[in-house]
Amino acid sequence: DAGVIQSPRHEVTEMGQEVTLRCKPISGHNSLFWYRQTMMRGLELLIYFNNNVPIDDSGMPEDRFSAKMPNASFSTLKIQPSEPRDSAVYFCASSLGWKETQYFGPGTRLLVL
Amino acid sequence: AQSVTQLDSQVPVFEEAPVELRCNYSSSVSVYLFWYVQYPNQGLQLLLKYLSGSTLVKGINGFEAEFNKSQTSFHLRKPSVHISDTAEYFCAVKIQGAQKLVFGQGTRLTINP
Repeated sequence: DAGVIQSPRHEVTEMGQEVTLRCKPISGHNSLFWYRQTMMRGLELLIYFNNNVPIDDSGMPEDRFSAKMPNASFSTLKIQPSEPRDSAVYFCASSLGWKETQYFGPGTRLLVL
Repeated sequence: AQSVTQLDSQVPVFEEAPVELRCNYSSSVSVYLFWYVQYPNQGLQLLLKYLSGSTLVKGINGFEAEFNKSQTSFHLRKPSVHISDTAEYFCAVKIQGAQKLVFGQGTRLTINP
């Protein structure tokens, strides 16, 4: 299996622009997680889905952030409009069931100028 | 709510020396415990996990961890480290029955020749 796939790997954008991050979970996994990693705050869970349904989005920082999972093999995290403080590495992870290991993608490094 | 404290933000050791990375957690209910490793510019990779059973858990790359319920600790150990172990290590906790992983702030392990 190719593992969790994220795209793009790097994104540089200007403040105010829309940013869309993409994730393809491991085939057969039914849970998907979006994390953000910064030096100041460490690893934070933003939102997670179970069977394509958002279960907990309490970690989403504000209304500028939105996430969707239209099917079992694809999810997006959108930031509109982006701000410099959104600069971070965004990870997607997937797992098969709540008890199982979460497998992480390589991350998207976002820089908002 | 559960929380994780990694007591050392940085740990420098010499090659072939033993190392212990400390992790303490706080939770009022039973938990599962994990250690992940993050190599530079990569995603997180599972080292080992404790779900139940033997309190001594062996993982990949010669690492092991011991679950101590009375001390609410899950320290990670390796008897002899290599240059290739240079990375950031994250302890994480999950409440039994829940999907949300809560991560510690990470410990940067630096191996000196």
